[in-house]
Amino acid sequence: QKEVEQNSGPLSVPEGAIASLNCTYSDRGSQSFFWYRQYSGKSPELIMSIYSNGDKEDGRFTAQLNKASQYVSLLIRDSQPSDSATYLCAVRPNNNDMRFGAGTRLTVKP
Amino acid sequence: DTGVSQDPRHKITKRGQNVTFRCDPISEHNRLYWYRQTLGQGPEFLTYFQNEAQLEKSRLLSDRFSAERPKGSFSTLEIQRTEQGDSAMYLCASSPLGQGYGYTFGSGTRLTVV
Repeated sequence: QKEVEQNSGPLSVPEGAIASLNCTYSDRGSQSFFWYRQYSGKSPELIMSIYSNGDKEDGRFTAQLNKASQYVSLLIRDSQPSDSATYLCAVRPNNNDMRFGAGTRLTVKP
Repeated sequence: DTGVSQDPRHKITKRGQNVTFRCDPISEHNRLYWYRQTLGQGPEFLTYFQNEAQLEKSRLLSDRFSAERPKGSFSTLEIQRTEQGDSAMYLCASSPLGQGYGYTFGSGTRLTVV
């Protein structure tokens, strides 16, 4: 089992729709969870972090965490073509390094 | 602060040659990380430093790879006797100390071994 697994995609949504990205992790003791956005040919950029069960909202982005189910998700409301990118889920199982999923490629069609 | 800087941006080398990459982290950040990313995959952890101490090294990292962070400032990643399988994007990131902080990544060094 991979440490961090994401729905492989690619995911395509029309402009203005909600994009839903999902992630599961294997280390039940993990405490910190992150979503990164990576445009083609660029490096990852941090967009959200979440540490407690429930929802965390930041503009059009909402991160959701369920530690009992070992599940993290990212919702993007009112999706824009500029949101088209690969979204990486990352989990920090301890105070050392961060483990990344393979990413989900999102395309928002005008 | 200009963020995390990596040099060079691109490197093409012949198989068997040695290469060295440099990373300058955000000056206030204690932690510095090296990751490797291949097409269609997420970043794969290589090693990290807290100040000048190298605290963890991935089991996947062969003896051909070595990293240093003298004086706890910039870091270098050296690959000896490069192989075609080493072709990848090498990413450096830094963060403050503490589990709750995300990483700031540099632009990466793309290595092509021919």
